[in-house]
Amino acid sequence: DTGVSQNPRHKITKRGQNVTFRCDPISEHNRLYWYRQTLGQGPEFLTYFQNEAQLEKSRLLSDRFSAERPKGSFSTLEIQRTEQGDSAMYLCASSSNRGRGNEKLFFGSGTQLSVL
Amino acid sequence: QKEVEQNSGPLSVPEGAIASLNCTYSDRGSQSFFWYRQYSGKSPELIMFIYSNGDKEDGRFTAQLNKASQYVSLLIRDSQPSDSATYLCAVNNQGGKLIFGQGTELSVKP
Repeated sequence: DTGVSQNPRHKITKRGQNVTFRCDPISEHNRLYWYRQTLGQGPEFLTYFQNEAQLEKSRLLSDRFSAERPKGSFSTLEIQRTEQGDSAMYLCASSSNRGRGNEKLFFGSGTQLSVL
Repeated sequence: QKEVEQNSGPLSVPEGAIASLNCTYSDRGSQSFFWYRQYSGKSPELIMFIYSNGDKEDGRFTAQLNKASQYVSLLIRDSQPSDSATYLCAVNNQGGKLIFGQGTELSVKP
């Protein structure tokens, strides 16, 4: 399978715990994005990387959220001290930064987070 | 004002009819426009993209762009029950990311 891969598919945690999600992008894609989606809403941008550089982070994003892409390949998204409001689907997407249309994002299956 | 706005629906059309989905955006400098389809419990799937004013057709789908009016639409001809999903409009506003609307739920009745 050469699509975007996310793990785990589901995560249930207690309030106050830390969680970490992983995303493996399409291999030839150098851009990687994290979005969050709640029921009835469109995906909300969190952050994105070009290779290993984090180029933008949403101003709405709490400092409890951190993302890394250490070698420009896979990425991790960590949420510290989780709150019930963090419950959402966390989507990862990747794209190729070559030529027009580089903004075409291809999404993984997502990680559904439930904070109890 | 939201950056990308869509009617949440639901939009209900009979099988075989044309479904028309609309989207407006606020940033006049936006260059690229996308339509994603999202089935319940699944992740978004790219179905159309358009860069220039006018129409772009791909099978049963037609994307329409009017930059002067800051308006994008998606037409689905000969709608099928399998087209029932949420359709997300997304805009690249010259940054590196896509901004999504809240999505329009489409229901195609047999």
